[in-house]
Amino acid sequence: QKEVEQNSGPLSVPEGAIASLNCTYSDRGSQSFFWYRQYSGKSPELIMFIYSNGDKEDGRFTAQLNKASQYVSLLIRDSQPSDSATYLCAVNRGMTTDSWGKLQFGAGTQVVVTP
Amino acid sequence: DAGVTQSPTHLIKTRGQQVTLRCSPKSGHDTVSWYQQALGQGPQFIFQYYEEEERQRGNFPDRFSGHQFPNYSSELNVNALLLGDSALYLCASRLAQDRVHGYTFGSGTRLTVV
Repeated sequence: QKEVEQNSGPLSVPEGAIASLNCTYSDRGSQSFFWYRQYSGKSPELIMFIYSNGDKEDGRFTAQLNKASQYVSLLIRDSQPSDSATYLCAVNRGMTTDSWGKLQFGAGTQVVVTP
Repeated sequence: DAGVTQSPTHLIKTRGQQVTLRCSPKSGHDTVSWYQQALGQGPQFIFQYYEEEERQRGNFPDRFSGHQFPNYSSELNVNALLLGDSALYLCASRLAQDRVHGYTFGSGTRLTVV
């Protein structure tokens, strides 16, 4: 079992619709959770992070975390063609200076927003 | 404010050779991590440096080594290159005390081993 699992996609979403991306993780000790966006040939760009159970909203993005179910999701509202990218879910276990930062990434979900 | 800078951007090496990749962290950051991203995969953690010491290491062989300098910049060295080492190598930096923001990634070095 992979430590972080995502559907590879592609997830095709009409422009203006909501894109829903899911991520499950196996390590119950995971403390922090991140969503990165990666355009083809570019480096990952942090778009959301969440530490506590529940929802966190930032503009058109909403991250949802359920630690009991070991599940984190990302919603993209009013999807735009510029949102077409691969979205990487990453989890981190530690919270100390030394342990914080070993991010475990999923393989990513490719999102394609069609005009 | 410069972000994370990596050099070179592209590199072609032959099997068995050695390579050194370089990273300058974002201004104000003191912790550097290196990741390997194969085509179609998520980044895989190689190691993390803080205060010039390797603090964490992923599941990579000893052929992969690194260093952090007093100015927080870092190098990744790979010896005895294999075809399977072909990947995008990403450097990411952060401030150790910052528990809120994630890592900032550089644009990467694309390594091709032939």
